[in-house]
Amino acid sequence: EIVLTQSPATLSLSPGERATLSCRASQSVNNNLAWYQQKPGQAPRLLIYDASNRATGIPARFSGSGSGTDFTLTISSLEPEDFAVYYCQQRSNWPWTFGQGTKVEIK
Amino acid sequence: EVQLVESGGGLVQPGGSLRLSCAASGFTFSNYNIYWVRQAPGKGLEYVSSISSNGASTYYANSVKGRFTISRDNSKNTLYLQMGSLTAEDMAVYYCARQGSSGFFDYWGPGTLVTVSS
Repeated sequence: EIVLTQSPATLSLSPGERATLSCRASQSVNNNLAWYQQKPGQAPRLLIYDASNRATGIPARFSGSGSGTDFTLTISSLEPEDFAVYYCQQRSNWPWTFGQGTKVEIK
Repeated sequence: EVQLVESGGGLVQPGGSLRLSCAASGFTFSNYNIYWVRQAPGKGLEYVSSISSNGASTYYANSVKGRFTISRDNSKNTLYLQMGSLTAEDMAVYYCARQGSSGFFDYWGPGTLVTVSS
């Protein structure tokens, strides 16, 4: 089973700042990686798929990069609605797995 | 508008059974693979089970294999998860999610909470 390790566990930032989230895979997943956003009491929402493609309706301030084992989600300038938990997920190897999440909180 | 709505969650005793449903609308249900993903209180996301668009292929996480059964009725646009021999480790919000053209989960239901307690 591929283990996805996200860092940091918590990111404390102010609105307008840049957020950089990391996801590292225990073995290569090529570019078969997605990022989701989850707010309290809500289901996850797909942000990025295939490492760098924005899903439908996702603002341009969200971008993804990386391949193989190291991936990054960048939020260029945090809006108030961006404070949430972010998960990465791989679909390269069965079973599909998720990272443990990074919480982006207001500083 | 694409919608997935889970139901059937609730309180069940350890060792008990429960059947979850996921009602789909706004898309051609029979064209999509559908998944169950769960989230224990305060924890991360965990894949549970999945079923192919025509129901011919099913998959399970090792943690639920032999205890859970996934099925679908494409005539009713509904997905099911029959859960048995429930333990405290199964307590979670259960989401159904659609596998979109990207290969990832593009639509999710709001979830249904399963509580396992005596």
